[in-house]
Amino acid sequence: NAGVMQNPRHLVRRRGQEARLRCSPMKGHSHVYWYRQLPEEGLKFMVYLQKENIIDESGMPKERFSAEFPKEGPSILRIQQVVRGDSAAYFCASSPLGRGDTEAFFGQGTRLTVV
Amino acid sequence: GENVEQHPSTLSVQEGDSAVIKCTYSDSASNYFPWYKQELGKGPQLIIDIRSNVGEKKDQRIAVTLNKTAKHFSLHITETQPEDSAVYFCAASSNAGGTSYGKLTFGQGTILTVHP
Repeated sequence: NAGVMQNPRHLVRRRGQEARLRCSPMKGHSHVYWYRQLPEEGLKFMVYLQKENIIDESGMPKERFSAEFPKEGPSILRIQQVVRGDSAAYFCASSPLGRGDTEAFFGQGTRLTVV
Repeated sequence: GENVEQHPSTLSVQEGDSAVIKCTYSDSASNYFPWYKQELGKGPQLIIDIRSNVGEKKDQRIAVTLNKTAKHFSLHITETQPEDSAVYFCAASSNAGGTSYGKLTFGQGTILTVHP
C-alpha cells in the first residue's frame, strides 16, 4: 500500500508564476490536509478537504492560494503569482474515510523555491 | 484557537542517555497528542501518540506522558542512538464534532542530536 504521494518533490518558480502542487492520498483515504513549513519552523495547517468539498480553509491565505480535491485525481494546492515569501515546504497528509479518531499520514512534501 | 509550545528548541545528548521534550497546549478541547519525527528532507513520521483518556503510553524506547489538568505532555526517549537524531514535533488536535484528527496544531520543533 503506497503512502501519501506528493509531486513534484522540488519546484522552482519565478516571481509572478503559478505553482501547482499535487497530492495523492493513501489508498482508501478521502480526507486530505495541506500544511506549510517555513524554514526552521513547525508545520502550519492550511486547508482540510474531502472529495469535492472544502471542509476547513481557516489556515489558507486570503489571496492567491486555492485548493481542490476532485472526484477523480489528486488534490491540488495552487498558488498564483508566487512571491519569495511563498518559498517553503508544503506537506500533504491523509486520513481514512469517515473515521474521526485515526491519525494522519504525511507525504514527503514539495519544496517550493521562488526566485 | 489552539496554541502549542514546545521546549527545548535544541537538545544534545550522549548516546545511551535519555532525552525529554516537553509541550504545553492551550485548548482544553484537544484530545489527541501525536509526536512526529522529521529527518532532513523528509516528511513528518508519526512515532507515538496519546489520547486524552490515558496518562502514559510506551513503545519500546519511546514513551509519552499526558497531564490533562496542567495541559502538558512530554516525549521520553531512553537509550538514545545516533539514528534518533532528527527534529521532533509535538502536536495537538481534537475530533470534537465528528471532525478528524488530521487538523493538527504543531509545536515549534526540537532538534535532537545524539553524539556517539
